[in-house]
Amino acid sequence: QKEVEQDPGPLSVPEGAIVSLNCTYSNSAFQYFMWYRQYSRKGPELLMYTYSSGNKEDGRFTAQVDKSSKYISLFIRDSQPSDSATYLCAMSGGAQKLVFGQGTRLTINP
Amino acid sequence: DVKVTQSSRYLVKRTGEKVFLECVQDMDHENMFWYRQDPGLGLRLIYFSYDVKMKEKGDIPEGYSVSREKKERFSLILESASTNQTSMYLCASSAGNLYSNQPQHFGDGTRLSIL
Repeated sequence: QKEVEQDPGPLSVPEGAIVSLNCTYSNSAFQYFMWYRQYSRKGPELLMYTYSSGNKEDGRFTAQVDKSSKYISLFIRDSQPSDSATYLCAMSGGAQKLVFGQGTRLTINP
Repeated sequence: DVKVTQSSRYLVKRTGEKVFLECVQDMDHENMFWYRQDPGLGLRLIYFSYDVKMKEKGDIPEGYSVSREKKERFSLILESASTNQTSMYLCASSAGNLYSNQPQHFGDGTRLSIL
């Protein structure tokens, strides 16, 4: 069993929809949670960075962490075609070694 | 903004060659990382460095070595390239010490093909 599970998709939604991306994990020591966005032929770009449980909002993006369920989510409101990318969740337990999900490929259709 | 620059976007080499991938960051970050990214496997850590001349093995170090002679530069070396090392290679950097949990910032990757 992988430490971090992420549905690879692909996920296709119409423009303006609310998108929900999710990861589950098995290691209860994880405390730091990140979401990266990766466009085709580019490196991952940090979107959200959270510590422990709770919500964090940045513009149209909201990150949620539920440590009791070992479940993290990224919500995208009013999705735009420019949001089409692969989204990677990543997490760590207190050192710099990150564990990544496989990534979910998202397409927003105009 | 953090800038992590990888010297080549695309590289084609032959089996058995010694291959050097270079990475430079401009934010005076202490920590630097090399990953490879493969479909279905995600990002896997090859090596990382938390200081000049210091290095630590990641999850898949076999067949690779690294060099960090200056703080801003981290090199990945494929000692004798093999076809199973065909992949996208990503370099990243982060600030602070090894336990400060600052986020990692990535370069745009080198797509390496070994023929």
